[in-house]
Amino acid sequence: QTVVTQEASFSVSPGGTVRLTCGLSSGSVSTNFYPSWYQQTPGQAPRTLIYSTNVRSSGVPDRFSGSILGNKAALTITGAQADDESDYYCVLYLGRGISVFGGGTKVTVL
Amino acid sequence: EVDLVESGGGLVQPGGSLRLSCTASGFTFNSYAMSWVRQAPGKGLEWVSTISGSNTSAYYADSVKGRFTISRDNSKNTHYLQMNSLRADDTAVYYCAKHLVATIAFDYWGQGALVTVSS
Repeated sequence: QTVVTQEASFSVSPGGTVRLTCGLSSGSVSTNFYPSWYQQTPGQAPRTLIYSTNVRSSGVPDRFSGSILGNKAALTITGAQADDESDYYCVLYLGRGISVFGGGTKVTVL
Repeated sequence: EVDLVESGGGLVQPGGSLRLSCTASGFTFNSYAMSWVRQAPGKGLEWVSTISGSNTSAYYADSVKGRFTISRDNSKNTHYLQMNSLRADDTAVYYCAKHLVATIAFDYWGQGALVTVSS
């Protein structure tokens, strides 16, 4: 069974930079997995941030960026703001209609 | 403006059935795959099922295969999740989501429908 791994939590200072990663329990993440990233605050529906590795969804600030770093996908928040405090999920597309979510990373801004 | 509205959630006993609906507006419904994603209380997001825009292909997570059935009625801009043999661990908020292209990535989400499986 494919497991998508994410850090459990990160803390960042206001104005700081944080990089979240998204890996595979076995193997490397590449653009072929079309990694995407979603932001969710408690009690709210997810919001799409990034798709196809590094394409920002409409209306997403450019302080959010996606990339492949080594063998993982990455979401970087540059110049973190208080309202970036959320849970962040990555999704990898495994093909044949199958998508897998990572366990999510809780980001605290303080 | 894209809008996705779920309905049909509620309380059901273990072993029971429930059907969720998601009605869409603001885009050409039959051109896009649609999915269901769920979130158990205090847990992360879990992909459940996807159906193609043409209604010819359906895909399921192992955790629901054989118990849940996804379908759509393109004339009503609505897709469904029929949930049978429900278990306590199916308790979750169920979100419908629109795919960006093919069955890759989600771009719009509904507000969610709570399903509680309990006696």
